[in-house]
Amino acid sequence: QKEVEQNSGPLSVPEGAIASLNCTYSDRVSQSFFWYRQYSGKSPELIMSIYSNGDKEDGRFTAQLNKASQYVSLLIRDSQPSDSATYLCAVNNQAGTALIFGKGTTLSVSS
Amino acid sequence: NAGVTQTPKFRILKIGQSMTLQCAQDMNHNYMYWYRQDPGMGLKLIYYSVGAGITDKGEVPNGYNVSRSTTEDFPLRLELAAPSQTSVYFCASSPKQGHTEAFFGQGTRLTVV
Repeated sequence: QKEVEQNSGPLSVPEGAIASLNCTYSDRVSQSFFWYRQYSGKSPELIMSIYSNGDKEDGRFTAQLNKASQYVSLLIRDSQPSDSATYLCAVNNQAGTALIFGKGTTLSVSS
Repeated sequence: NAGVTQTPKFRILKIGQSMTLQCAQDMNHNYMYWYRQDPGMGLKLIYYSVGAGITDKGEVPNGYNVSRSTTEDFPLRLELAAPSQTSVYFCASSPKQGHTEAFFGQGTRLTVV
């Protein structure tokens, strides 16, 4: 079974700081990488997708992908208390037919 | 703008009972999925479908069955419910294979007692 690994946290940062979330994956042929945010008791919602090596920025969020190291990360700049949630890393399976999820990292932003 | 709709939102089952979790999407997506999420854990894939009439097992299919008679609907059947099936179940859909996000329903919280 191909795996997606994340540090479960909790990761605690003060308001306004940069939060850095990391994810490693085991399947070298994976092509699509996603970050989902999940508030307690809610369903996951997509916040970033990345397909090529390098950085992708969207507002306060930056996704970074390094396929050689099988590593994908999410940076949240100017963290807000509303960013407090669990962040799930997801990678497509070899056939591209489904997403494999990590266990998630819980982020807590204190005001 | 319904997206992915799951019913029911909550359910308590007794051991040995059966039930069907309903999932419908109105986005004309070919791909549909059922995941379960246990406390503190990520999402584990139960079954998926790449189109009407085609289903395949995911990581944790035992104790479940699915069918896909239409593009819109993808029900999940639990036969002989067991306490190990206590979980939150999410249905999701995506438009195509590969470079595409999955859209999630609101989830069904199931407790087996």
